[in-house]
Amino acid sequence: EVQLLESGGGLVRPGASLRLSCVASGFTFRKYALNWVRQAPGKGLEWVSGISGGGKTIHYADSVKGRFTISRDNSKSTVFLQLNSLTAEDTAEYYCAKDQYDSGTFSNFDMWGQGTLVTVSP
Amino acid sequence: SYVLTQPPSVSVAPGQTAKITCYGTNIGRYSVHWYQQKPGQAPVLVVYDDSGRPSGIPERFSGSASGNTPTLTIRRVEAGDEADYYCQVWDDGSAHYVFGTGTKVTVL
Repeated sequence: EVQLLESGGGLVRPGASLRLSCVASGFTFRKYALNWVRQAPGKGLEWVSGISGGGKTIHYADSVKGRFTISRDNSKSTVFLQLNSLTAEDTAEYYCAKDQYDSGTFSNFDMWGQGTLVTVSP
Repeated sequence: SYVLTQPPSVSVAPGQTAKITCYGTNIGRYSVHWYQQKPGQAPVLVVYDDSGRPSGIPERFSGSASGNTPTLTIRRVEAGDEADYYCQVWDDGSAHYVFGTGTKVTVL
Protein backbone atom coordinates (compact mmCIF):
# COMPACT_ATOMS: atom_id res chain seq x y z
CA GLU A 1 0.00 0.00 0.00
CA VAL A 2 1.33 3.40 -0.99
CA GLN A 3 1.71 5.73 1.98
CA LEU A 4 3.01 9.26 2.41
CA LEU A 5 3.49 10.60 5.92
CA GLU A 6 4.29 14.26 6.48
CA SER A 7 5.77 15.82 9.59
CA GLY A 8 7.45 19.01 10.73
CA GLY A 9 4.61 21.49 10.76
CA GLY A 10 3.92 23.81 13.66
CA LEU A 11 3.38 27.35 14.90
CA VAL A 12 6.16 29.79 14.06
CA ARG A 13 6.70 33.54 14.06
CA PRO A 14 6.96 35.60 10.86
CA GLY A 15 10.47 35.43 9.45
CA ALA A 16 11.13 32.02 10.96
CA SER A 17 12.12 28.79 9.22
CA LEU A 18 10.70 25.30 9.24
CA ARG A 19 11.62 21.98 7.63
CA LEU A 20 8.91 19.61 6.50
CA SER A 21 9.51 15.92 5.83
CA CYS A 22 7.53 13.29 3.95
CA VAL A 23 8.38 9.63 4.34
CA ALA A 24 7.10 7.34 1.59
CA SER A 25 6.46 3.62 1.40
CA GLY A 26 4.81 1.09 -0.88
CA PHE A 27 6.44 2.09 -4.17
CA THR A 28 9.87 2.46 -5.80
CA PHE A 29 10.57 5.92 -4.44
CA ARG A 30 13.45 6.89 -6.72
CA LYS A 31 11.32 6.47 -9.84
CA TYR A 32 8.70 9.10 -9.10
CA ALA A 33 8.51 12.85 -8.87
CA LEU A 34 7.34 14.10 -5.47
CA ASN A 35 5.63 17.38 -4.78
CA TRP A 36 4.38 19.69 -2.07
CA VAL A 37 0.91 21.17 -2.38
CA ARG A 38 -0.60 23.56 0.17
CA GLN A 39 -4.04 24.73 1.12
CA ALA A 40 -4.64 27.85 3.15
CA PRO A 41 -7.61 27.71 5.56
CA GLY A 42 -10.84 27.83 3.57
CA LYS A 43 -8.99 28.24 0.27
CA GLY A 44 -8.17 26.13 -2.77
CA LEU A 45 -5.20 23.95 -3.62
CA GLU A 46 -1.88 25.57 -4.52
CA TRP A 47 1.08 23.64 -5.87
CA VAL A 48 4.30 24.69 -4.12
CA SER A 49 7.23 22.67 -5.46
CA GLY A 50 8.17 19.46 -7.24
CA ILE A 51 11.31 17.35 -7.61
CA SER A 52 12.03 14.60 -10.14
CA GLY A 53 12.81 11.05 -9.12
CA GLY A 54 16.55 11.51 -9.40
CA GLY A 55 16.43 14.95 -7.86
CA LYS A 56 17.94 16.76 -10.83
CA THR A 57 14.84 18.62 -11.96
CA ILE A 58 13.20 20.99 -9.49
CA HIS A 59 10.37 23.46 -9.92
CA TYR A 60 8.85 26.08 -7.64
CA ALA A 61 5.72 28.17 -7.63
CA ASP A 62 6.46 31.86 -8.07
CA SER A 63 5.04 32.58 -4.60
CA VAL A 64 7.77 30.57 -2.86
CA LYS A 65 10.74 30.76 -5.23
CA GLY A 66 13.83 31.96 -3.40
CA ARG A 67 12.36 31.17 0.04
CA PHE A 68 11.54 27.45 -0.10
CA THR A 69 13.88 24.60 -1.05
CA ILE A 70 12.82 21.08 -1.97
CA SER A 71 15.15 18.10 -1.72
CA ARG A 72 14.98 14.33 -1.43
CA ASP A 73 16.95 11.44 0.02
CA ASN A 74 16.18 8.36 -2.06
CA SER A 75 18.08 6.13 0.38
CA LYS A 76 15.52 7.06 3.04
CA SER A 77 12.46 7.42 0.76
CA THR A 78 12.02 10.93 2.09
CA VAL A 79 11.32 14.30 0.51
CA PHE A 80 11.90 17.57 2.35
CA LEU A 81 10.71 21.13 2.09
CA GLN A 82 12.76 23.85 3.75
CA LEU A 83 10.63 26.92 4.41
CA ASN A 84 12.47 30.19 5.08
CA SER A 85 11.35 33.78 5.64
CA LEU A 86 7.85 32.64 6.48
CA THR A 87 4.93 35.07 6.38
CA ALA A 88 1.29 34.84 7.41
CA GLU A 89 0.46 34.06 3.76
CA ASP A 90 2.34 30.77 4.10
CA THR A 91 -0.11 29.52 6.73
CA ALA A 92 -1.60 26.37 5.27
CA GLU A 93 -1.92 22.62 5.36
CA TYR A 94 1.04 21.24 3.44
CA TYR A 95 0.51 17.99 1.55
CA CYS A 96 3.10 15.68 0.08
CA ALA A 97 1.90 14.24 -3.24
CA LYS A 98 3.31 11.60 -5.58
CA ASP A 99 3.24 11.95 -9.35
CA GLN A 100 1.38 9.20 -11.16
CA TYR A 101 3.96 8.22 -13.76
CA ASP A 102 7.48 6.86 -13.42
CA SER A 103 8.52 8.16 -16.82
CA GLY A 104 10.27 11.21 -15.43
CA THR A 105 7.54 13.58 -16.53
CA PHE A 106 5.42 15.76 -14.29
CA SER A 107 1.70 15.08 -14.68
CA ASN A 108 -0.67 14.73 -11.75
CA PHE A 109 -0.90 13.53 -8.16
CA ASP A 110 -2.16 9.99 -7.69
CA MET A 111 -1.37 9.70 -3.99
CA TRP A 112 -1.42 12.25 -1.19
CA GLY A 113 -0.36 12.32 2.42
CA GLN A 114 -2.68 13.54 5.17
CA GLY A 115 -0.88 16.85 5.49
CA THR A 116 0.99 18.84 8.11
CA LEU A 117 -0.21 22.23 9.31
CA VAL A 118 2.06 25.26 9.21
CA THR A 119 0.82 28.32 11.09
CA VAL A 120 2.73 31.59 10.87
CA SER A 121 1.57 34.08 13.47
CA PRO A 122 3.03 36.70 15.77
CA SER B 1 0.64 32.33 -15.35
CA TYR B 2 -1.93 29.85 -16.61
CA VAL B 3 -5.38 30.08 -15.02
CA LEU B 4 -8.09 27.42 -14.75
CA THR B 5 -11.61 28.60 -13.94
CA GLN B 6 -14.38 26.46 -12.48
CA PRO B 7 -17.90 27.33 -11.37
CA PRO B 8 -17.84 28.05 -7.62
CA SER B 9 -20.74 25.75 -6.86
CA VAL B 10 -23.00 23.07 -8.31
CA SER B 11 -26.14 21.79 -6.62
CA VAL B 12 -27.71 18.49 -7.53
CA ALA B 13 -30.45 16.24 -6.18
CA PRO B 14 -29.62 12.67 -5.18
CA GLY B 15 -29.77 10.31 -8.13
CA GLN B 16 -29.28 13.07 -10.66
CA THR B 17 -26.18 14.03 -12.69
CA ALA B 18 -23.65 16.71 -11.76
CA LYS B 19 -21.40 18.29 -14.37
CA ILE B 20 -18.36 20.41 -13.48
CA THR B 21 -16.49 22.36 -16.13
CA CYS B 22 -12.94 23.64 -16.27
CA TYR B 23 -11.99 26.58 -18.47
CA GLY B 24 -8.55 27.71 -19.56
CA THR B 25 -6.92 29.23 -22.62
CA ASN B 26 -6.24 26.54 -25.25
CA ILE B 27 -6.99 23.91 -22.62
CA GLY B 28 -7.42 21.32 -25.36
CA ARG B 29 -3.64 20.96 -25.55
CA TYR B 30 -3.40 19.83 -21.92
CA SER B 31 -4.19 16.60 -20.17
CA VAL B 32 -6.71 17.43 -17.48
CA HIS B 33 -6.97 15.70 -14.12
CA TRP B 34 -9.68 15.91 -11.47
CA TYR B 35 -9.62 15.62 -7.66
CA GLN B 36 -12.26 15.21 -5.00
CA GLN B 37 -11.65 16.69 -1.57
CA LYS B 38 -14.02 16.05 1.31
CA PRO B 39 -13.90 18.28 4.41
CA GLY B 40 -10.88 17.61 6.59
CA GLN B 41 -9.40 15.11 4.14
CA ALA B 42 -6.64 15.07 1.56
CA PRO B 43 -7.62 15.28 -2.11
CA VAL B 44 -8.21 12.09 -4.08
CA LEU B 45 -7.55 11.68 -7.81
CA VAL B 46 -10.84 10.69 -9.49
CA VAL B 47 -10.02 11.24 -13.18
CA TYR B 48 -6.64 11.41 -14.92
CA ASP B 49 -5.63 12.27 -18.48
CA ASP B 50 -9.05 13.71 -19.34
CA SER B 51 -11.02 10.47 -18.97
CA GLY B 52 -9.01 7.80 -17.15
CA ARG B 53 -10.40 6.46 -13.90
CA PRO B 54 -8.05 5.24 -11.14
CA SER B 55 -8.75 1.88 -9.60
CA GLY B 56 -11.25 2.13 -6.76
CA ILE B 57 -13.07 5.12 -8.20
CA PRO B 58 -16.72 4.33 -8.96
CA GLU B 59 -17.81 4.22 -12.59
CA ARG B 60 -20.27 7.00 -11.75
CA PHE B 61 -17.31 9.37 -12.07
CA SER B 62 -16.23 10.14 -15.62
CA GLY B 63 -14.26 12.80 -17.46
CA SER B 64 -14.43 14.16 -20.97
CA ALA B 65 -12.73 16.84 -23.02
CA SER B 66 -15.10 17.15 -25.95
CA GLY B 67 -15.74 20.60 -27.38
CA ASN B 68 -12.55 21.86 -25.78
CA THR B 69 -14.26 22.07 -22.38
CA PRO B 70 -13.06 19.47 -19.92
CA THR B 71 -15.92 18.22 -17.80
CA LEU B 72 -16.20 15.99 -14.76
CA THR B 73 -19.52 14.16 -14.70
CA ILE B 74 -20.92 12.45 -11.61
CA ARG B 75 -23.88 10.21 -12.38
CA ARG B 76 -26.43 8.94 -9.87
CA VAL B 77 -25.15 11.41 -7.31
CA GLU B 78 -25.06 10.24 -3.69
CA ALA B 79 -24.86 12.20 -0.45
CA GLY B 80 -21.28 10.99 -0.06
CA ASP B 81 -20.26 12.81 -3.25
CA GLU B 82 -20.66 16.15 -1.52
CA ALA B 83 -17.17 17.66 -1.69
CA ASP B 84 -14.93 20.19 -3.39
CA TYR B 85 -13.68 19.23 -6.84
CA TYR B 86 -10.59 20.61 -8.56
CA CYS B 87 -9.27 20.31 -12.09
CA GLN B 88 -5.51 20.38 -12.69
CA VAL B 89 -3.00 20.48 -15.54
CA TRP B 90 0.76 20.44 -15.92
CA ASP B 91 1.77 23.57 -17.82
CA ASP B 92 4.95 22.82 -19.76
CA GLY B 93 5.48 26.46 -20.62
CA SER B 94 5.85 27.61 -17.04
CA ALA B 95 6.88 24.23 -15.62
CA HIS B 96 4.10 24.58 -13.06
CA TYR B 97 1.26 22.39 -11.92
CA VAL B 98 -1.93 24.48 -12.05
CA PHE B 99 -5.13 23.84 -10.11
CA GLY B 100 -8.55 25.13 -10.97
CA THR B 101 -10.41 27.47 -8.66
CA GLY B 102 -12.50 24.60 -7.27
CA THR B 103 -16.19 23.71 -7.31
CA LYS B 104 -18.25 22.89 -4.26
CA VAL B 105 -20.80 20.18 -5.02
CA THR B 106 -23.84 20.25 -2.78
CA VAL B 107 -26.26 17.35 -2.71
CA LEU B 108 -29.74 18.69 -2.03
